[in-house]
Amino acid sequence: NAGVTQTPKFRILKIGQSMTLQCTQDMNHNYMYWYRQDPGMGLKLIYYSVGAGITDKGEVPNGYNVSRSTTEDFPLRLELAAPSQTSVYFCAEGVGNTEAFFGQGTRLTVV
Amino acid sequence: RKEVEQDPGPFNVPEGATVAFNCTYSNSASQSFFWYRQDCRKEPKLLMSVYSSGNEDGRFTAQLNRASQYISLLIRDSKLSDSATYLCVVNSGGYQKVTFGTGTKLQVIP
Repeated sequence: NAGVTQTPKFRILKIGQSMTLQCTQDMNHNYMYWYRQDPGMGLKLIYYSVGAGITDKGEVPNGYNVSRSTTEDFPLRLELAAPSQTSVYFCAEGVGNTEAFFGQGTRLTVV
Repeated sequence: RKEVEQDPGPFNVPEGATVAFNCTYSNSASQSFFWYRQDCRKEPKLLMSVYSSGNEDGRFTAQLNRASQYISLLIRDSKLSDSATYLCVVNSGGYQKVTFGTGTKLQVIP
């Protein structure tokens, strides 16, 4: 089992462009999360999902959208990229409201 | 006061030393606690959960002090491979209530 797979690993976007960060898990777990991590800051929760078809906002959802059509996939969409969205994005999954297992991250730069 | 606070360090310790980190939290209703380890430019990985009775895993011991609202991580016989940033995580209830600390950087020196 690969656990959590994120693609791409790196991306440079121009202001106003859109992109989708992909996240796939093969553990058949219900709970999935998207976090962003800025230098010197703790991880901030963007969106989370407790199962297929169910998503909810976290602490910093503005500028992002998610969907959860299957248990395995939880893509994060940026519609109009802004420099403030330059960050490292981590997708995570878990068996419940406890520990989480993270993907390797996507380093996004918006210029 | 921040919800979760950690000393950013860095803590520079020689191999074999014992080092301890604390993490304070502000919400007395916090329910579960974890320590994660994050290597440079890598994803966080769960190190251990923190139970009310304290728990130990090899050279690592985690403790919870609810009265003073902090958790601690003790590392004995430090190894070079322990060099990383240690993140404190506090769950105050609900999926959106998981708060990560900014981390404490540990550098173990030969």
